Amino acid sequence: EVHLLESGGGSVQPGGSLRLSCAASGFTFNFYPMSWVRQAPGKGLEWVSTITGSDESTYYADSVKGRFAISRDNSKNTLYLQLNSLRAEDTAIYYCAKVPGAEKYYFDYWGQGALVTVSS
Amino acid sequence: SYILTQPPSLSVAPGKTATITCAGNNIGTKSVHWYQQKPGQAPVLVMFYDSDRPSGIPERFSGSNSGSTATLTISRVEAGDEADFYCQVWDGNSDHWVFGGGTKLTVL
Repeated sequence: EVHLLESGGGSVQPGGSLRLSCAASGFTFNFYPMSWVRQAPGKGLEWVSTITGSDESTYYADSVKGRFAISRDNSKNTLYLQLNSLRAEDTAIYYCAKVPGAEKYYFDYWGQGALVTVSS
Repeated sequence: SYILTQPPSLSVAPGKTATITCAGNNIGTKSVHWYQQKPGQAPVLVMFYDSDRPSGIPERFSGSNSGSTATLTISRVEAGDEADFYCQVWDGNSDHWVFGGGTKLTVL
């Protein structure tokens, strides 16, 4: 059974940094691209970033490019998102999501999310 | 960037059919995927590649995509179907994954 567990959320001041982690189990982690999707309070879903299984390619939404960095440690079955230069509008639940394979462009499993609050 | 437009809300009586639309420029040339999100829960994939259902999703859920509109249809709506529904595509021009704004389905 696929299981994704996010951690590392919390409260941070504007301009601060945070690192989210997503521990994966139940599948061969390095085979699959992985993504982060966020949801601001009371708002819809917003794709944030995706990384290929081999770590060769990364993709970012325009709203976070240059401030956030996605990475993965396939030896630890863990996905990361480094959040820098945080702004109030980055306040959201951040979901880790699995992509079902290379050249596939949807999310077949989601974690329960980690809340990031940016406030002074 | 590519934009997907969904109606913010839809109300349907139990046993009736809910039709949730997702509009986009020539969306019929793209693959559309749908997610259901119940309050306080993570999204769940309910339809992929326009009309394929993941295992465990009832046959009451179906999808189509043509021209400028993709549609998620839920037949014989039940109280447990009440949720927010999001459509999603991949924009190959920008290498961005794009979500619609979401439709809140209320079962009367």
